[in-house]
Amino acid sequence: DIVMTQSPDSLAVSLGERATINCKSSQSVLYSSDNKNYLAWYQQKPRQPPKLLIYWASTRESGVPDRFSGSGSGTDFTLTISSLQAEDVAVYYCQQYYSIPLTFGPGTKVDIK
Amino acid sequence: QLQLQESGPGLMKPSETMSLTCTVSGGSISSTSYYWGWIRQPPGKGLEWIASIYYSGNTYYNPSLKSRVTIFVDTSKNRFSLELSSVTAADTAVYYCARHVGSSYSYAYNPWGQGTLVTVSS
Repeated sequence: DIVMTQSPDSLAVSLGERATINCKSSQSVLYSSDNKNYLAWYQQKPRQPPKLLIYWASTRESGVPDRFSGSGSGTDFTLTISSLQAEDVAVYYCQQYYSIPLTFGPGTKVDIK
Repeated sequence: QLQLQESGPGLMKPSETMSLTCTVSGGSISSTSYYWGWIRQPPGKGLEWIASIYYSGNTYYNPSLKSRVTIFVDTSKNRFSLELSSVTAADTAVYYCARHVGSSYSYAYNPWGQGTLVTVSS
């Protein structure tokens, strides 16, 4: 199984400031045949289902504000919120879809400082 | 707009078999472009993938649950379902259905249903 870890567990950022979440996979999720990283980021607000933000590690889903960006390759990935807004308070999960079983990181809680 | 809606028993007793259904609206589950899946989330915890299925019936299971899980599709009713046998309190969770954004399991999930809470308690 590919184990996904995230850091930090939680963070508090002032409105308008940058928030950075890290995700690490226990093995590479970069598929050499298509040079894609099989890594997604989701946002989950209380009492709501997860919402897809980023896929292929850096492709923003349609309708997602451009303050959200994903980067990284291989085993190390980052989700950046460039200017935190009040509505961004949520738990953020990374997920690998490179191999079965599909696995998620434990989540990072983002709050307002 | 594609929508997914889970339905389930709400409350179950240990050792029973859970049956959940995900009804798809706004699109056809028989589309050759997508896989469909189930994911669960115990209260206050993280996400666990359970299984995924194609309209043709091709399936993938989480090995940790495979012995107890069956996923199947009913194209005539535009829905897919999950059965989980011998449930215990550890199976208490919100169960989500979702669509993979491509024609294999190797795609992210979008959209998700709202989820249905299943509690296992004697």
